[in-house]
Amino acid sequence: SYEVSQPPSVSVSPGQTVTITCSGHKLGGKYVSWYQHKAGQSPVMVIFESTKRPSGIPERFYASKSGNTASLTISGAQAIDEADYYCQTWDKSVVFGGGTKLTVL
Amino acid sequence: QVQLVESGGGLVKPGGSLRLSCVGSGFTFTDDYYMTWMRQPPGKGLEWISYISSSGSYMSYAESVKGRFTISRDNAKKSAFLLMDSLRPEDTAVYFCARRGLGGSGDYFDHWGQGVMVTVSS
Repeated sequence: SYEVSQPPSVSVSPGQTVTITCSGHKLGGKYVSWYQHKAGQSPVMVIFESTKRPSGIPERFYASKSGNTASLTISGAQAIDEADYYCQTWDKSVVFGGGTKLTVL
Repeated sequence: QVQLVESGGGLVKPGGSLRLSCVGSGFTFTDDYYMTWMRQPPGKGLEWISYISSSGSYMSYAESVKGRFTISRDNAKKSAFLLMDSLRPEDTAVYFCARRGLGGSGDYFDHWGQGVMVTVSS
């Protein structure tokens, strides 16, 4: 079955920039979405179709894709951005990455 | 605004059954919207479980639940359901209902419910 991989955790200082990666075989040819999930809350889509930002999502969230790696970048990270982030794609069915815990400290 | 509200979770013994419901509001439930169930076991990541087409004529399941779980929907009641049979301890998780996106590729889930806890334990 198809798999995508994410780093388990990343950390960033407030106001700095952080990037979370998502890697998978031939991921460059697939759409990738990113979700922010805070404990006890509903997941929130922050990026869809690899680079598009839904209305209401701050501009500090942006995404890119190169080769077999998709990236979510948060510029000027804030304490409220601390959450788990999941990438998601499709390969015959829905596939989620294992999630990356972002710590802002 | 779009809202998805799940219900029906609880504690069930191994081998038992449970039926989850998801009621949608703030959008036209039948407008080509696929509805999906995901879950998150304690301390683990998100896992896709199943989705159903807008008409209810097409369903797909993850291998981990195929043959045990059944997804359905009632468009008149703006609801989607997940019937879970032969439950196992490893099915213990928070279950989320989500709406698949409509524009473009549709390869995304733009709205999620708050989740409902299912615990399978003797």
